[in-house]
Amino acid sequence: AQSVSQHNHHVILSEAASLELGCNYSYGGTVNLFWYVQYPGQHLQLLLKYFSGDPLVKGIKGFEAEFIKSKFSFNLRKPSVQWSDTAEYFCAVNGNNRLAFGKGNQVVVIP
Amino acid sequence: NAGVTQTPKFQVLKTGQSMTLQCAQDMNHEYMSWYRQDPGMGLRLIHYSVGAGITDQGEVPNGYNVSRSTTEDFPLRLLSAAPSQTSVYFCASSYRDQGYGYTFGSGTRLTVV
Repeated sequence: AQSVSQHNHHVILSEAASLELGCNYSYGGTVNLFWYVQYPGQHLQLLLKYFSGDPLVKGIKGFEAEFIKSKFSFNLRKPSVQWSDTAEYFCAVNGNNRLAFGKGNQVVVIP
Repeated sequence: NAGVTQTPKFQVLKTGQSMTLQCAQDMNHEYMSWYRQDPGMGLRLIHYSVGAGITDQGEVPNGYNVSRSTTEDFPLRLLSAAPSQTSVYFCASSYRDQGYGYTFGSGTRLTVV
């Protein structure tokens, strides 16, 4: 079964700072990769996804992620965060009919 | 287009009680899944289904039962509730080509006392 590792579970940064969240996965087959966001008190929403083609993927709200196959990584980035980006971010990998999640990154943006 | 609908939104159960969490989707998605979310644990897969009549276990299936008699519905049954099942439960669905991503319901917050 696939597994997902996310680092730096709690991130605190100021508005306009850059954000990068790491995600590493393990799975032997072809994967689809996702980042989901969960705003306080809400359900998960898809931020971006990768399943083929250009390894640099652009999502909503200025987020992007880069798939590096050799490193089994799918890191999320945003050049300049806003207070409204305060949320929990989950990396997920799909394989063998299952979607597996990492433990999440709690991101707090200070105005 | 309602997406994925979960009911109830909140529930308090006593230890030993049983109940069913409802999940319905109107997107004609083949795949449906149940997750539980606990602080610091991310989302863990309980059970999933790749189509009507087909279900399989995920990471944490013990104490839960599912069935998939129609494409639209995927109820989750707690057979005998325990305090360890206090959690937020999310239902999700996807097309067979899961590269489109999963759509999540708004969740059910369950407390077992």
